[in-house]
Amino acid sequence: AQKITQTQPGMFVQEKEAVTLDCTYDTSDPSYGLFWYKQPSSGEMIFLIYQGSYDQQNATEGRYSLNFQKARKSANLVISASQLGDSAMYFCAMREATMYSGGGADGLTFGKGTHLIIQP
Amino acid sequence: ETGVTQTPRHLVMGMTNKKSLKCEQHLGHNAMYWYKQSAKKPLELMFVYSLEERVENNSVPSRFSPECPNSSHLFLHLHTLQPEDSALYLCASRPGVGSYNSPLHFGNGTRLTVT
Repeated sequence: AQKITQTQPGMFVQEKEAVTLDCTYDTSDPSYGLFWYKQPSSGEMIFLIYQGSYDQQNATEGRYSLNFQKARKSANLVISASQLGDSAMYFCAMREATMYSGGGADGLTFGKGTHLIIQP
Repeated sequence: ETGVTQTPRHLVMGMTNKKSLKCEQHLGHNAMYWYKQSAKKPLELMFVYSLEERVENNSVPSRFSPECPNSSHLFLHLHTLQPEDSALYLCASRPGVGSYNSPLHFGNGTRLTVT
């Protein structure tokens, strides 16, 4: 079963509108971290925002915010006032804490991504 | 400018060639990673190094051979690759393994084409 699910392969949004990119995750670990990355056509993966499983408040970083609904295992990325430069692939990722005690994977587990296109 | 630099940016190689991908990080991190990104697939973790010691190998074929001579440099040596190995190879780093809350810092990647 997939650990990270991004159900929107592609999205078209008008410039200046707000955008919500969906991400659901699957884990039985009470301690985990959720990450969002942006990948422009140049290829670099750019870290945007982080949400910890115990964080009481939704994370925010400038125009990026995370709508974290723990009971639903949902961590949607919200981009306010979208810009043409926001056009890119967006990836949701997770790291579980029990990976360390169990000797499991240290790297992030990624979803398949959403291709966001901002139209003028 | 990214703190993680990958060279070359693009590489075309035949199935019998031997080549190497290079990654250098200027962030003072102790953990380095290789990921493979194929079209329409999630990023796949290949190798993890912590303080120059390999701590993880995710069932990667032996035609991919990593090397980490120091905590700032990571190589991926390639030999007798297959066309399905064509992908974007991404290097990443973070301060250290052992915590779940620090992000990975990625380079621009090497676009590899195997002919």
